[in-house]
Amino acid sequence: KAGVTQTPRYLIKTRGQQVTLSCSPISGHRSVSWYQQTPGQGLQFLFEYFSETQRNKGNFPGRFSGRQFSNSRSEMNVSTLELGDSALYLCASSLPSGTRNTGELFFGEGSRLTVL
Amino acid sequence: AQSVTQLDSQVPVFEEAPVELRCNYSSSVSVYLFWYVQYPNQGLQLLLKYLSGSTLVKGINGFEAEFNKSQTSFHLRKPSVHISDTAEYFCAVTLSGGYQKVTFGIGTKLQVIP
Repeated sequence: KAGVTQTPRYLIKTRGQQVTLSCSPISGHRSVSWYQQTPGQGLQFLFEYFSETQRNKGNFPGRFSGRQFSNSRSEMNVSTLELGDSALYLCASSLPSGTRNTGELFFGEGSRLTVL
Repeated sequence: AQSVTQLDSQVPVFEEAPVELRCNYSSSVSVYLFWYVQYPNQGLQLLLKYLSGSTLVKGINGFEAEFNKSQTSFHLRKPSVHISDTAEYFCAVTLSGGYQKVTFGIGTKLQVIP
């Protein structure tokens, strides 16, 4: 069974640009969560999507947005990039159809964004 | 809202020695607890989880953790570490039963010294 796939793995942008990151969850998983990981800050929750609806949202500015498609694939977008947006962005899927929600997350390898 | 505190940012330990990574959580309702491991340039992988039942939970790679409700702790232990255990370890919590976000601690870097 294929794991969570994130693309691109690495990217470099300049301040003011925007970026779109993609996440394909494990087949059958209906929930996709996004986290920002930076040194010293750990994993900060961005948002979670379930059945194309944003179910939970973290404390990030409106420049950070996301969406989920009918096939459960998800994208997140960051507009007007700032230097502080440099981070590893992790996507995680969970909640196979018909199972109890245990909160267990299955992570991709991340997209490492560098903003210059 | 729930929160997680990992008390040690870095833990150096000699190979074959025991190790304990500490985690405390805060929540007014019942929770599910997790430990994840992250190797360099990789995503996170589940080590073990506590949902209910026995307070001693065994995971992969010889790790175990004990849920202590009175002390609101979920410390991770391994009796004998190996070089390959060098990684960053994250404790995480979510509210039990509902569809809530998972909150992570800041992480503990375990460095195994040969």
